[in-house]
Amino acid sequence: SSELTQDPAVSVALGQTVRITCQGDSLRRYYASWYQQKPGQAPVLVIYAKNNRPSGIPDRFSASNSGNTASLTITGTQAGDEADYYCNSRDSSDNHVIFGGGTKLTVL
Amino acid sequence: QVQLQESGPGLLRPSETLSLTCTVSGGSISSDYWSWIRQPAGKGLEWIGRIYNTGTTNYNPSLKARVTLSVDTSKNQFSLKLTSVTAADTAVYYCARDLSGGIGTTDTFYYYYAMDAWGQGTPVTVSS
Repeated sequence: SSELTQDPAVSVALGQTVRITCQGDSLRRYYASWYQQKPGQAPVLVIYAKNNRPSGIPDRFSASNSGNTASLTITGTQAGDEADYYCNSRDSSDNHVIFGGGTKLTVL
Repeated sequence: QVQLQESGPGLLRPSETLSLTCTVSGGSISSDYWSWIRQPAGKGLEWIGRIYNTGTTNYNPSLKARVTLSVDTSKNQFSLKLTSVTAADTAVYYCARDLSGGIGTTDTFYYYYAMDAWGQGTPVTVSS
């Protein structure tokens, strides 16, 4: 399969913990990477290579993997975390790159 | 810190060829893979293709017939050409640097892939 599936929308109360999931066959071989995209801005990498955060990404962001499912967890969610989140990996053939459809996170 | 900047015309007529260039600064293009991604307004990210400094390419199967990527190491640039554009090609186009590798042991080994640096994006509109 060459698809990654995400829930279209998730909401979380301010200060609470939220999990955003991504499913796909390629995730049995690839760690998902995760991107945050705010309106009018380019995507920003927040997690890669199992659970690595680029410089400047707070440790409130973490990731986990199980079988064909990858999860991005945000703890102590802040208003500024409201954004679209995309997962990404190579496909099972290793030749192509695929993105999930994105999850819109609303902070209540 | 590497920075990427897309450039190219923002308005095209149907059937024309889209040509965009990504200029890399703060690092050498002579390593890593480099990707193009696009995003129609209000929609998700779509990978277009990637290129290595040797010219090795991978393309999205849905666009492969119309896409050509190239690299100019002397200018630290890589480029995208998309032929026979239609309104469906209207989108913000991004360039990005690829990051990939593997983690684990012979018993449990995972690959990883990511795009760790992105350009700001350039909007392209196809309209008659």
